[in-house]
Amino acid sequence: DAGVTQSPTHLIKTRGQQVTLRCSPKSGHDTVSWYQQALGQGPQFIFQYYEEEERQRGNFPDRFSGHQFPNYSSELNVNALLLGDSALYLCASMGSGQETQYFGPGTRLLVL
Amino acid sequence: GNSVTQMEGPVTLSEEAFLTINCTYTATGYPSLFWYVQYPGEGLQLLLKATKADDKGSNKGFEATYRKETTSFHLEKGSVQVSDSAVYFCALSDQGYNTDKLIFGTGTRLQVFP
Repeated sequence: DAGVTQSPTHLIKTRGQQVTLRCSPKSGHDTVSWYQQALGQGPQFIFQYYEEEERQRGNFPDRFSGHQFPNYSSELNVNALLLGDSALYLCASMGSGQETQYFGPGTRLLVL
Repeated sequence: GNSVTQMEGPVTLSEEAFLTINCTYTATGYPSLFWYVQYPGEGLQLLLKATKADDKGSNKGFEATYRKETTSFHLEKGSVQVSDSAVYFCALSDQGYNTDKLIFGTGTRLQVFP
């Protein structure tokens, strides 16, 4: 049983560019959340998707957007990249009615 | 709002020493509490959880008890190993209408030396 997978593992972009990160949830999970983890910090909640809709959003600007597909996989898009967007982006999935979130290995984004 | 506070690290121990990492929380309602571990260069792995007051979560020799009276969820292990070296995150599940998001502490780095 594959766990949560994310791609790519590493990414380097320049300021002003746009980036798309991808996540496939654990088998049987229909809810996907995205978190940003800056260096030396705990993860911060970006948003959560369920049934292809954004269910809740954390304190992140509109430059951060997402999507969930019918197969429950998800994308995180960040527009107009800033140096401060450099971080590890974590995807987590969970099943309906459950409360434990399982994390992927993350995508490390470096903005130059 | 809800929040989690962890002791600052790094915590440096010799192999077979006793470990305690303190975690306290502020929350309305009755959140579930979690400990996640992050090994170098990797994502987060669930270590243990507790869903209600006085519950004890345990896994791989680690334990934590949900203490509502002291709003704490301290992580303990009786005898640490070098392989336990990692960053440990305490988190609570902020359960709102139709959502569960995790609120994390800042993490505590554990370094275990032979």
